[in-house]
Amino acid sequence: SQQGEEDPQALSIQEGENATMNCSYKTSINNLQWYRQNSGRGLVHLILIRSNEREKHSGRLRVTLDTSKKSSSLLITASRAADTASYFCAIYNFNKFYFGSGTKLNVKP
Amino acid sequence: EPEVTQTPSHQVTQMGQEVILRCVPISNHLYFYWYRQILGQKVEFLVSFYNNEISEKSEIFDDQFSVERPDGSNFTLKIRSTKLEDSAMYFCASSEALQVGTYNEQFFGPGTRLTVL
Repeated sequence: SQQGEEDPQALSIQEGENATMNCSYKTSINNLQWYRQNSGRGLVHLILIRSNEREKHSGRLRVTLDTSKKSSSLLITASRAADTASYFCAIYNFNKFYFGSGTKLNVKP
Repeated sequence: EPEVTQTPSHQVTQMGQEVILRCVPISNHLYFYWYRQILGQKVEFLVSFYNNEISEKSEIFDDQFSVERPDGSNFTLKIRSTKLEDSAMYFCASSEALQVGTYNEQFFGPGTRLTVL
């Protein structure tokens, strides 16, 4: 399968702490994207990192990409209760998106 | 802010019936997609559509499924002879462009929950 696979499957932290989620994949990619999904809702695009980039920031989000290890990480700093959601990585390859199973993040107030 | 919309939000149908799920992509977007998410499982790519024809489709997108852009704004997914296992959330998405190596953020709609009884 080319799909990204996130770990951990679930993560529970206290508000204010940092949350790190990882994504691994098997094939070469054009880019990798992170999405967020609140329970029962649609997907919201968070950040895209291209295959020739190693790190990208957007607000409290930091994404890294290591193409040699075929892995990416999403760091959310100073987490808030409102960050509680599922987070998915999606790899884009040959005109298709492949989503992982997601990490369920629970931020306790 | 422009957004992708989907109707209905929830569709209940009997097994064997046909359903049409509707999407209105963002107006200047050229590429359209359908995904599904069975409860508790991954989001799965179904099909991408450009210039009035299918660009890519997954193994899931068999003869039971079809897509259409009947007018300048709607993008529909038709599921013929629905089965119990078709019960899922169906997400529509659109993007401005789809060129290898370039930025191609997809904007997702809120989804249609399909329940097949």
